Amino acid sequence: QVKLLQSGAALVKPGASVKMSCKASGYTFTDYWVSWVKQSHGKSLEWIGEIYPNSGATNFNEKFKGKATLTVDKSTSTAYMELSRLTSEDSAIYYCTRDTTGIPVGYWGQGVMVTVSS
Amino acid sequence: DIQMTQSPASLSASLGETVTIECLASEDIYSNLAWYQQKPGKSPQLLIYDASSLQDGVPSRFSGSESGTQYSLEINSLQSEDAATYFCQQHHDYPYTFGAGTKLELK
Repeated sequence: QVKLLQSGAALVKPGASVKMSCKASGYTFTDYWVSWVKQSHGKSLEWIGEIYPNSGATNFNEKFKGKATLTVDKSTSTAYMELSRLTSEDSAIYYCTRDTTGIPVGYWGQGVMVTVSS
Repeated sequence: DIQMTQSPASLSASLGETVTIECLASEDIYSNLAWYQQKPGKSPQLLIYDASSLQDGVPSRFSGSESGTQYSLEINSLQSEDAATYFCQQHHDYPYTFGAGTKLELK
């Protein structure tokens, strides 16, 4: 079955960067878009952007352009998101997701908690 | 960006009751709407897609409907395991946007 296994929690200092991973299994990695979603503590969800592993094509929420970089490693079926110039506003849980049934956000990873603190 | 106004923010209901959660889109999203359920400490799970199609494995007491730009999620015969936060999301246009969420508590 489809599984998206994300990397562990991260504690990072303000101004630094963090790179998280999302290892896919149970399907052909290159055939489906991978989206990333942010959930700030106790709040709603924000779509960050998506990447198509086969071509590397991306689409971003304007709000996260310059903040998030999306990449993939097809050899390991892993998607990555790097967040740069971190501030306390970036403290959140970040989910990777995969599209299904034409729905961009169908399957979800378990989430990565990122805490930005000095 | 398309705004998704979700209501109510929270509600409390008893076992066996029926509840309705609504999302109002700021423009026509042509049924490109999904509903998700999120339990504490867990990832959201897809319940409904294309406004009214039930995702595989989701109990039939969940249903979705639409009227113009108003979308509704109905949960019939509430069960204890339905206590969760529910979100709507439009995927008609970039950026995909979510409603603020509805926290459902069981009395």
